[in-house]
Amino acid sequence: RKEVEQDPGPFNVPEGATVAFNCTYSNSASQSFFWYRQDCRKEPKLLMSVYSSGNEDGRFTAQLNRASQYISLLIRDSKLSDSATYLCVVNYRGGGYNKLIFGAGTRLAVHP
Amino acid sequence: GAVVSQHPSWVICKSGTSVKIECRSLDFQATTMFWYRQFPKQSLMLMATSNEGSKATYEQGVEKDKFLINHASLTLSTLTVTSAHPEDSSFYICSARDPAGGPSSYNEQFFGPGTRLTVL
Repeated sequence: RKEVEQDPGPFNVPEGATVAFNCTYSNSASQSFFWYRQDCRKEPKLLMSVYSSGNEDGRFTAQLNRASQYISLLIRDSKLSDSATYLCVVNYRGGGYNKLIFGAGTRLAVHP
Repeated sequence: GAVVSQHPSWVICKSGTSVKIECRSLDFQATTMFWYRQFPKQSLMLMATSNEGSKATYEQGVEKDKFLINHASLTLSTLTVTSAHPEDSSFYICSARDPAGGPSSYNEQFFGPGTRLTVL
């Protein structure tokens, strides 16, 4: 089983749509959670951290359910510029490690 | 945010040659840098954690003699792919943490723009 699992997509949505991405992680000792965005042939860039209380940044809302080991990202009012791959990322600290584990990403394509 | 650069951005080499990739933190000192590899349509896979002044920590399955890491200063880590073969063709990305960024950024990593390696 992969440590971080995501639906690979692609999600093809029209502009203005609301789209939700899900992610599950296997290591209950994971401590921090993030969503990164990666454009084609580019490095990943931090979109937002994810907190247990849920957090919002403009059109983006992230949720974390530690009991279910489940993370979500909601994008409202999709823009063409939102087209990218969204990576669910978990930070694991333990056994002398402090490292990020990446999901394979969910691809989003927003069309006019 | 903190800036990380990589050089070169792309490289094409013949099979059997060695390739060195540099990763620099431009506006902060990084005691720890990370090297990732990403194959097409796959996730970033951590190869190794580079520690300034000490040996790198390699992930399981990554050959330390093939992927040489040197972290000689607080702003520079290098990855050398020795005797590269076509299967080593990939997107190599480094990242670094800014230890002075405070508790809220403790786990955040800043990524370089990546190096695309093609081995013929």
